[in-house]
Order: sequence, then C-alpha cells, then structure tokens
Amino acid sequence: AQSVTQLDSQVPVFEEAPVELRCNYSSSVSVYLFWYVQYPNQGLQLLLKYLSGSTLVKGINGFEAEFNKSQTSFHLRKPSVHISDTAEYFCAVRMNTGFQKLVFGTGTRLLVSP
Amino acid sequence: DAGVTQSPTHLIKTRGQQVTLRCSPKSGHDTVSWYQQALGQGPQFIFQYYEEEERQRGNFPDRFSGHQFPNYSSELNVNALLLGDSALYLCASSHLRRGLYNEQFFGPGTRLTVL
Repeated sequence: AQSVTQLDSQVPVFEEAPVELRCNYSSSVSVYLFWYVQYPNQGLQLLLKYLSGSTLVKGINGFEAEFNKSQTSFHLRKPSVHISDTAEYFCAVRMNTGFQKLVFGTGTRLLVSP
Repeated sequence: DAGVTQSPTHLIKTRGQQVTLRCSPKSGHDTVSWYQQALGQGPQFIFQYYEEEERQRGNFPDRFSGHQFPNYSSELNVNALLLGDSALYLCASSHLRRGLYNEQFFGPGTRLTVL
C-alpha cells in the first residue's frame, strides 16, 4: 500500500518570497508522484507530475518539484509566490501499473499575504 | 472541449436518505474514478469504473455503489446517508492506455451536506 505525508497543514508566506511545501511518501513499489492545487470551491488541478527520468520536474504557474528516491520525498517549490497562489496543495502517489488509484496527502494550505 | 462535468453542484439530504451523483467524463475518456473529500482532508478513493464494470474499490462500505453507462458517464449512489457522508465528491476521468500513464482530470465536485 502507498501513503503520503504532508507535515505542514498550513504555510504562511509573504508575497514574492520563496516557498517549499513538503511531501514524503511510502511505497514498496515504483510510483508516480503528483502535486495538485485546489482553489476554494473548485476541483483539483494538476500542477506537475513525476513519471520517470529527470528528478527535477517543472509544472504550471512557476512551480517545480524534486523527486528524491533515497529520502522518499517530492517537495514542491516556487521561488517567488503571488497572492493568487493562495490555495490548498495536495501531494499524491499512485502505482505505475494498471487500474491504480491516487492516494492523497491531507493537504497544505498556502497563505500568501502582501 | 468540455472537461469533466458533475451534477448537481450542491445538494442537501437528511440522514437515512439516498442520493445519486452524476459525472460526465472529458471527451475521449473511458475511465471514471470517484473520490470523497471530507472537510479539511485529502480526497479518498471510492472506486473506479471501466467498460461499465467496477475495477477497483477503496475502503468504503457497500452503501456506496456506482454505475457506468455505455457513453462512459457514471453515477455514484449512496444509500442510508450518515452525517459523516457530508463531503465534496469528486469525479475524475482518464483514457486507459494499457502500460502507459493515464492522466486523471478532475471535475469541480458535488458538495453533499447531510443533516
């Protein structure tokens, strides 16, 4: 079975500052890794994904994440945040075979203030 | 191209009632998954449908059932509603390509409130 841990339930940051949202996962098999963003009263939007290859993955809206297999981590980073980045961010994993479900973390609320 | 659509957007039910939620997948998609997102939590997988059959199921009781139609749309049914069933129900669709990655696209969700 897979599991995801997002240690920070809330991360406050000032506009134009850098941010890192942490994600650790557990799995006995190879997985795909994802970050989703959820704005208030909306569904989930895919920010970026790691399937294979380069461990540094770039996504939409200036976000990037680095896959670290030895530390089983997939932290999300942005060098300079905007007010509009205020949202809930979810890390997720799934096995890389068959009809496999997404397993989500509990989410991190990013609060960007002026 | 319409993305994943869900109906209704909101609904309110009372304990013990039954509810049906609907999902239309993105054009060209043949697989539908349902997730439950309780307030302040991450989405939890309920089940997945492909070729009108339930292919995988999460840890949800039999009160949760589903159906997929020949046009790939899907329904989620919940019987004997409990207060704890109050949540945002998300539908996700994908196109199954065996041996390859199949990206899931999420709908806006249906907010169910059980009183």
